[in-house]
Amino acid sequence: EIVLTQSPDILSLSPGERATLSCRASQSVSSSYLAWYQQKPGQAPRLLIYGASSRATGIPDRFSGSGSGTDFTLTISRLEPEDFAVYYCQQYGSSPPNTFGQGTKLEIK
Amino acid sequence: EVQLVESGGSVVRPGGSLRLSCAASGFTFDDNAMSWVRQAPGKGLEWVSGINWNGGNTDYADSVKGRFTISRDNAKNSLYLQMNSLRAEDTALYHCARAASSDFYWYFDLWGRGTLVTVSS
Repeated sequence: EIVLTQSPDILSLSPGERATLSCRASQSVSSSYLAWYQQKPGQAPRLLIYGASSRATGIPDRFSGSGSGTDFTLTISRLEPEDFAVYYCQQYGSSPPNTFGQGTKLEIK
Repeated sequence: EVQLVESGGSVVRPGGSLRLSCAASGFTFDDNAMSWVRQAPGKGLEWVSGINWNGGNTDYADSVKGRFTISRDNAKNSLYLQMNSLRAEDTALYHCARAASSDFYWYFDLWGRGTLVTVSS
């Protein structure tokens, strides 16, 4: 089973700053089948990125994804107040599929 | 409006059963595979089960295999999860999620807000 480890667990930044979130896989993720989600308290998760670097419909271009193999990154170029949330990565290309990272909480400094 | 709305969650005793439902609207339901993903209180996301577009293929997390059964009724635009032999560790918010594919081994582009299952004596 592929285990996804996200870092850091908590990231404290101010609006306007750049955020870099990491997702590391215990084995190579085939075909860069890696997605990122944002979840705010009391809300459903929202798809941000799929295929490691493709933005989902309606996602602002300040969100970008990169990486391949075992190392993936979600970057938020300039934080807006509404970006403070929990972020999860998910791999969907290997068996067993659909495993998630433990999440990174992005909080206001 | 494109949405998924879950229902059926409640408090149940260990060993009990529960059936969750998910009503889909605003899209062609049988175009997509579907999954259930749960979230224990204060914890992360855990994939529970998936079903392909016509119900012909299903899969389960090891933690629920043999106890939970996923099904769908495309005529009713609905997804279900029959949960038997419930344990305390099944306590979670259960989300219905749409796969961006006819195969459930995929990412999820639409989620419901969830229905809460509490297993407690």
